Amino acid sequence: EVQLLESGGGLVQPGGSLRTSCVVSGVYFSNYDMSWVRQAPGKGLEWVSTISESGGRTYYAASVKGRFTISRDNSKNTLYLQMNSLRAEDTAVYYCAKYPSRGWSSGFFDYWGQGTLVTVSS
Amino acid sequence: QSALTQPASVSGSPGQSITISCTGTSSDVGGSNYVSWYQQHPGKAPKLMIYEVSNRPSGVSNRFSGSKSGNTASLTISGLQAEDEADYYCSSYTSSTTLDVVFGGGTKLTVL
Repeated sequence: EVQLLESGGGLVQPGGSLRTSCVVSGVYFSNYDMSWVRQAPGKGLEWVSTISESGGRTYYAASVKGRFTISRDNSKNTLYLQMNSLRAEDTAVYYCAKYPSRGWSSGFFDYWGQGTLVTVSS
Repeated sequence: QSALTQPASVSGSPGQSITISCTGTSSDVGGSNYVSWYQQHPGKAPKLMIYEVSNRPSGVSNRFSGSKSGNTASLTISGLQAEDEADYYCSSYTSSTTLDVVFGGGTKLTVL
């Protein structure tokens, strides 16, 4: 059974930093491109970032480019999102999402985690 | 990249059929077959329902179907059931210069 388990969310002040993690089990993690998708309270889904299976290629939404960094440790089956210079508008549930074996070019996420809530407030 | 356009809400009675539209541009929805649909119940993670416009993952009911015409994709749910009440999101992407994944604003389906 494929499972994605996020952690690391919490309350942080504007301008602060936070790192979220996502541990993946049930699949050979290093074979799959991965993404972070967020959802502000009461709002829709917003793609944040994607990383290739090896970690060699990364992509970011314009709203987070230069502030957020996606990374992965394939030896630990873990995906990360380092968030710096956080703003109130970054408040959201952050989901990690897995691409199928064809990678990001397949255009869809076949598995999602349950999410971790990040709240940016003073 | 702007979000895809979906109706805010649709409703239907049990047993009826409904269709949710998703309008993009020739750069995303109209330019490829990479349109997917997700179902999200309150407080839950999104669940893949349709990929590549009209393909259903294993385990998804055949009451769910997808199609596309020009820049507009559609999700049809037939034989509505109470458990279909949820939010539905469409998604596509472009990769002309760099990857850009877009979602629709979401549609709240109410089963009357």
